[in-house]
Amino acid sequence: LAKTTQPISMDSYEGQEVNITCSHNNIATNDYITWYQQFPSQGPRFIIQGYKTKVTNEVASLFIPADRKSSTLSLPRVSLSDTAVYYCLVELGTASKLTFGTGTRLQVTL
Amino acid sequence: NAGVMQNPRHLVRRRGQEARLRCSPMKGHSHVYWYRQLPEEGLKFMVYLQKENIIDESGMPKERFSAEFPKEGPSILRIQQVVRGDSAAYFCASSLKKGQSTDTQYFGPGTRLTVL
Repeated sequence: LAKTTQPISMDSYEGQEVNITCSHNNIATNDYITWYQQFPSQGPRFIIQGYKTKVTNEVASLFIPADRKSSTLSLPRVSLSDTAVYYCLVELGTASKLTFGTGTRLQVTL
Repeated sequence: NAGVMQNPRHLVRRRGQEARLRCSPMKGHSHVYWYRQLPEEGLKFMVYLQKENIIDESGMPKERFSAEFPKEGPSILRIQQVVRGDSAAYFCASSLKKGQSTDTQYFGPGTRLTVL
């Protein structure tokens, strides 16, 4: 069964860089990889999207290797307000089945 | 430009009743997606609709659940004869056009359904 997996949780201190990886072995050929941030009792909020290599915006970077079977969300210099659950979203397989990753709960402390 | 809107934000139903969840996509968006999130779990795809068409309902239970996105008005997710296991947060997302490089899904605040 094709899955999209992430580490369950990560801890970081404020000011550090955090890298969260998503494994998606069966990603659809033409699909983009999207990352979302979710706070309790809120809807997911778009962070960044990419297809291959590296994408950077004002809040994060996204690294995608050539085989596209994984992707890494990089958050530079996290703050307490970055404490949230982070999800990747991809389409898997030839049927292009939309699949969220298992989610990574990031806890940032002082 | 208003974001994706969902209502109600909270919905309480007794077992056997019907639940209707509404989603108004972002202006100009014609693609709508529904997801379910059980307590302390991740998001699970349910259904993808384009105006007046169901494109992919592979994640939706075969019985009691239905979805529509009429030409006019919001998208509706309907759950008939609710059971306690239906208690969850239901999120709607919309996108401009599927298959394009900038086809990002934007999410609403969700509807939290509680079945007593």
